[in-house]
Amino acid sequence: NAGVTQTPKFRVLKTGQSMTLLCAQDMNHEYMYWYRQDPGMGLRLIHYSVGEGTTAKGEVPDGYNVSRLKKQNFLLGLESAAPSQTSVYFCASSYTTGDGYTFGSGTRLTVV
Amino acid sequence: EDQVTQSPEALRLQEGESSSLNCSYTVSGLRGLFWYRQDPGKGPEFLFTLYSAGEEKEKERLKATLTKKESFLHITAPKPEDSATYLCAVRNNYGQNFVFGPGTRLSVLP
Repeated sequence: NAGVTQTPKFRVLKTGQSMTLLCAQDMNHEYMYWYRQDPGMGLRLIHYSVGEGTTAKGEVPDGYNVSRLKKQNFLLGLESAAPSQTSVYFCASSYTTGDGYTFGSGTRLTVV
Repeated sequence: EDQVTQSPEALRLQEGESSSLNCSYTVSGLRGLFWYRQDPGKGPEFLFTLYSAGEEKEKERLKATLTKKESFLHITAPKPEDSATYLCAVRNNYGQNFVFGPGTRLSVLP
């Protein structure tokens, strides 16, 4: 049972480059989320999805886009990376909105 | 605006030395308060959900309690493997999102 899998685990980008982070879950969860974690600031929600084909903005959506074409996958895109997007990104999923989340192991992104 | 603060920021204990971590919150209609454990380089791991004041949950050496303004995570006779960052989060009745606190970094020394 893999749970939530994130790829890649590490990435270094140059300012202005683009990339996509992939999140896959095998628990048939409806809800999926992308968070970023920065020192001293806690986890902040970027975007989320309440089901296949749906996405919505979270607390810090600027500079990011997402897609959920399949129920098990949730993609996070950076179109033009900026140093302020240096962070650790976590994907999470849940069966209902009242459940605790299952998190992936994270992607450490550095933008230089 | 919903807010969560946690104290202390960091805590060092000797093995067997019991203590408590605090999570204070303000939320527009509490739908649930959640505790997570996060090990270095890993994602948070769900521990407990508390829904109403007076509720308590236990798991091994951990016990979580909830009042109308705060939650405590009590750690009884901790072991070095309890060393981790403990995160608190709240969900309100209106949104899809948790609001996370910054966490308490716990170190248990042998």
